[in-house]
Amino acid sequence: EAGVAQSPRYKIIEKRQSVAFWCNPISGHATLYWYQQILGQGPKLLIQFQNNGVVDDSQLPKDRFSAERLKGVDSTLKIQPAKLEDSAVYLCASSSIRDRFGYTFGSGTRLTVV
Amino acid sequence: SQQGEEDPQALSIQEGENATMNCSYKTSINNLQWYRQNSGRGLVHLILIRSNEREKHSGRLRVTLDTSKKSSSLLITASRAADTASYFCATDGGSTLGRLYFGRGTQLTVWP
Repeated sequence: EAGVAQSPRYKIIEKRQSVAFWCNPISGHATLYWYQQILGQGPKLLIQFQNNGVVDDSQLPKDRFSAERLKGVDSTLKIQPAKLEDSAVYLCASSSIRDRFGYTFGSGTRLTVV
Repeated sequence: SQQGEEDPQALSIQEGENATMNCSYKTSINNLQWYRQNSGRGLVHLILIRSNEREKHSGRLRVTLDTSKKSSSLLITASRAADTASYFCATDGGSTLGRLYFGRGTQLTVWP
């Protein structure tokens, strides 16, 4: 089966600019996650969707981050405006309802804010 | 914090040696997982151990879990240069919703 697709692979922007990341999960996976991984740290959950509804966005900085999952398939994560501390790898993962902990991760988008 | 914490932060060994990484966590769990991450890539699931299990094997991997001590260990036997990567433990924090809490990871380097 195809894996979790993410784009772009890399992005460099200036602070205060906007950026968007895209994720296409494994076909049939109802649960989709966005994690932020700062260099030298483990991934931290930003938001979890089940189908097109939000399950958990308690760690999402809502003043600047937003995410949507239209039609319960693809998802977009947006940062507006970006800060230097947003430099990180943004990982998308998906899992099925029957096996919520059977994650498949995408390769991530590495964001550098200068 | 609910996240797991790996120990050591970095481990350097020769090919053929065994590598042991430890993870401690603070909350109750339903399961604990280990992931591997090659530099600049996504995470790859290695093994999941449930809270009622004490040991699990998968190929050259052996995972143990001690819920009384809130700790787990990952043993890689007969290591290879290709095992060089960061290894993370992740717990569910006692929830069944799917969210995972990751530690900072152990950077393993295996020298040929």
